[in-house]
Amino acid sequence: EPEVTQTPSHQVTQMGQEVILRCVPISNHLYFYWYRQILGQKVEFLVSFYNNEISEKSEIFDDQFSVERPDGSNFTLKIRSTKLEDSAMYFCASSQFLAASYEQYFGPGTRLTVT
Amino acid sequence: GIQVEQSPPDLILQEGANSTLRCNFSDSVNNLQWFHQNPWGQLINLFYIPSGTKQNGRLSATTVATERYSLLYISSSQTTDSGVYFCAVDGNRDDKIIFGKGTRLHILP
Repeated sequence: EPEVTQTPSHQVTQMGQEVILRCVPISNHLYFYWYRQILGQKVEFLVSFYNNEISEKSEIFDDQFSVERPDGSNFTLKIRSTKLEDSAMYFCASSQFLAASYEQYFGPGTRLTVT
Repeated sequence: GIQVEQSPPDLILQEGANSTLRCNFSDSVNNLQWFHQNPWGQLINLFYIPSGTKQNGRLSATTVATERYSLLYISSSQTTDSGVYFCAVDGNRDDKIIFGKGTRLHILP
């Protein structure tokens, strides 16, 4: 069964550094998402992306975050200048159709630790 | 916005026992998904079940959309079933799905 993959599984970085989290969505999916889970809290929506544009973003997704589909297979989340509070699990998801009424397939996540 | 409540918050069972996890939601939904977060934090897709019943091995799920709840059944629990189980639903015709707080399941050997 096709699945969403994410790399790395764990990333440790120093405060103020830039990080790029990578995702390979399911190949025939056109809609991509990032979610975040701070330790011990709920999984929260960050951003959705379609046709090389942000479709929707949450209040969390401020100017330090950006997303990109650099080629036909990867989908990335960049954090420009990491803060301690960015430490979290980051999940990528993809779906065949836009709108949350359709199934979103989640990757296993990247644990980001900012020191 | 839509509210998602999961119960119980914590559940401790002996290996081999059966369990039922519940998800209540406050409005009509077109999407309901169940996930398992393992002790390493990885999220695993379990079911897409906006209505009806599905089964996958020892796991099954039922959603009664008209009564706004879903149940996840785990039979003959194994220690590898430990972790947090999340329910998530769509909210108000936008792109995101909204997660509940989860049920933390501990299976003792």
